[in-house]
Amino acid sequence: TQLLEQSPQFLSIQEGENLTVYCNSSSVFSSLQWYRQEPGEGPVLLVTVVTGGEVKKLKRLTFQFGDARKDSSLHITAAQPGDTGLYLCAGASLYNNNDMRFGAGTRLTVKP
Amino acid sequence: EPEVTQTPSHQVTQMGQEVILRCVPISNHLYFYWYRQILGQKVEFLVSFYNNEISEKSEIFDDQFSVERPDGSNFTLKIRSTKLEDSAMYFCASSEGMGGHNEQFFGPGTRLTVL
Repeated sequence: TQLLEQSPQFLSIQEGENLTVYCNSSSVFSSLQWYRQEPGEGPVLLVTVVTGGEVKKLKRLTFQFGDARKDSSLHITAAQPGDTGLYLCAGASLYNNNDMRFGAGTRLTVKP
Repeated sequence: EPEVTQTPSHQVTQMGQEVILRCVPISNHLYFYWYRQILGQKVEFLVSFYNNEISEKSEIFDDQFSVERPDGSNFTLKIRSTKLEDSAMYFCASSEGMGGHNEQFFGPGTRLTVL
């Protein structure tokens, strides 16, 4: 079983601050996805990272995949209240690309 | 933009009854999935489905559960003899196909309440 640990579990910050959330595992993944989930809705895909060391930017969001493909981080610059939500990472198994396991998520609150 | 749809949005059932949750995956996708999220807990993988058969299932997906693609568009999850602890959001997802990076796109979910 591949366990994905996300930290912190909860994060509350002021608008304009920067933040980083982490997704760690002892397992190697073929790819890792970040999702954002609003209450009562399905996860929405933000990005997929595949190559060790890869960095992807999506406006104010920067995603990095660890060199060993075991961990990832999401950095948000100048957070806005609209960034509030549950951020989930999910890793795809090396042995079966369709076996994807989720972390428990980081619940982010950005106060105006 | 194509999206995964799910019906119903909310299903209430009595313990012991059978329910069928329905999903219409994105039309050119070949892999389909069901996930469960109990209130306040993490998204849990149930099953993946490809070429009309289960390709992977988790320890949660026991004999109580079954999946089917009855026609060219629908993908269903049947839960037999529901229990109180089956109450959860059930999400369907789909992805394009073999290879690639398995980008899974999720539906809005069905909230199942077992009384």
